[in-house]
Amino acid sequence: DAGITQSPRHKVTETGTPVTLRCHQTENHRYMYWYRQDPGHGLRLIHYSYGVKDTDKGEVSDGYSVSRSKTEDFLLTLESATSSQTSVYFCAISNGHLQETQYFGPGTRLLVL
Amino acid sequence: GDSVTQMEGPVTLSEEAFLTINCTYTATGYPSLFWYVQYPGEGLQLLLKATKADDKGSNKGFEATYRKETTSFHLEKGSVQVSDSAVYFCALSDGGNDMRFGAGTRLTVKP
Repeated sequence: DAGITQSPRHKVTETGTPVTLRCHQTENHRYMYWYRQDPGHGLRLIHYSYGVKDTDKGEVSDGYSVSRSKTEDFLLTLESATSSQTSVYFCAISNGHLQETQYFGPGTRLLVL
Repeated sequence: GDSVTQMEGPVTLSEEAFLTINCTYTATGYPSLFWYVQYPGEGLQLLLKATKADDKGSNKGFEATYRKETTSFHLEKGSVQVSDSAVYFCALSDGGNDMRFGAGTRLTVKP
């Protein structure tokens, strides 16, 4: 199994507070991704990174920012959480871009009250 | 834009039954197609993929053929087991900056 961890695994927060989710990999993969999973929508790409300090937006990037200061860490920040951001968040990594196999972390369940 | 439509679930089958989960796609280019599987409480795992028309992906007894003429990538397995109970996602990537997933199909296999 690819070495991908996410922290925290569960979080409850209040509307308007900032939240940061962390993805950590031990595989030295170049690409890292953040998705959200919601019923009826499957997974939707939020942001991705193609190298240290290199990031780009996905389909549903509004309200989210990311940072990658080291190869192994990719952070997702909700600057001011809203109830619509209640979701399960998955990090993924790959050696190539999206047409290559992605390896997913275990997920973070976020509840915004 | 690109999109994936897969059959709604849930699907409930008896052990050793034949499985088909339909997936159709809309894309302007020549995407790669994937099936991912999610077991309870876990992240997604790649099940199989195909990168060009008429390619057949296969793994663990599952198969799917990339049909450009019908824009489909249906997942099949001849004899399902209880351990195949999971949520299955069809997905496509056109090599650009996005990956599109279907809504997922939950499969339950009963002994």
